[in-house]
Amino acid sequence: DTGVSQDPRHKITKRGQNVTFRCDPISEHNRLYWYRQTLGQGPEFLTYFQNEAQLEKSRLLSDRFSAERPKGSFSTLEIQRTEQGDSAMYLCASSSTGRNPYEQYFGPGTRLTVT
Amino acid sequence: GENVEQHPSTLSVQEGDSAVIKCTYSDSASNYFPWYKQELGKRPQLIIDIRSNVGEKKDQRIAVTLNKTAKHFSLHITETQPEDSAVYFCAADTQTGANNLFFGTGTRLTVIP
Repeated sequence: DTGVSQDPRHKITKRGQNVTFRCDPISEHNRLYWYRQTLGQGPEFLTYFQNEAQLEKSRLLSDRFSAERPKGSFSTLEIQRTEQGDSAMYLCASSSTGRNPYEQYFGPGTRLTVT
Repeated sequence: GENVEQHPSTLSVQEGDSAVIKCTYSDSASNYFPWYKQELGKRPQLIIDIRSNVGEKKDQRIAVTLNKTAKHFSLHITETQPEDSAVYFCAADTQTGANNLFFGTGTRLTVIP
């Protein structure tokens, strides 16, 4: 499968714990996005990487959230001191600055439940 | 910032009929307008997109129209089939370097066999 992959697919955690999610983009894609989707809503932008550089973050992104893309390939999203309001689907998407730079392809998401 | 509104929130059609979903956006600088289909528990899938230098684009049974002056765009699905049943999201890009997307709130389409 050459699409975007995410791990884990599901995560249940207790309030106050830290969690980390991983995203592997399409191999030739240098742009990577994290979005969050809650029930009945469209995805909401969190942050953006071009290669290894984190170039944009949503103003809505709490300082408990941090993301990395150390070698410009896979990315991780960490949430510290989780809260019940963090329960959502976390989606990763990738695109290329080359051909069709606007087209973003999504991964299957990580569904986080904070109890 | 960008604001995207989508209507209707739910839509039921008989198999074989057409379905139309409409979106409006607020930022006149937006240039790129994709549509995603999301089946239950699955990833959003890009089904068609349009850029601001084009007024209409068609791909088999689906088409998208864009009116930049009025800042609205629409998805048209003809000859609907039960497998078209899903949630459809419209989106508009930002004109920052990220070109991240702002999404509408989705339309749940049900095609009745």
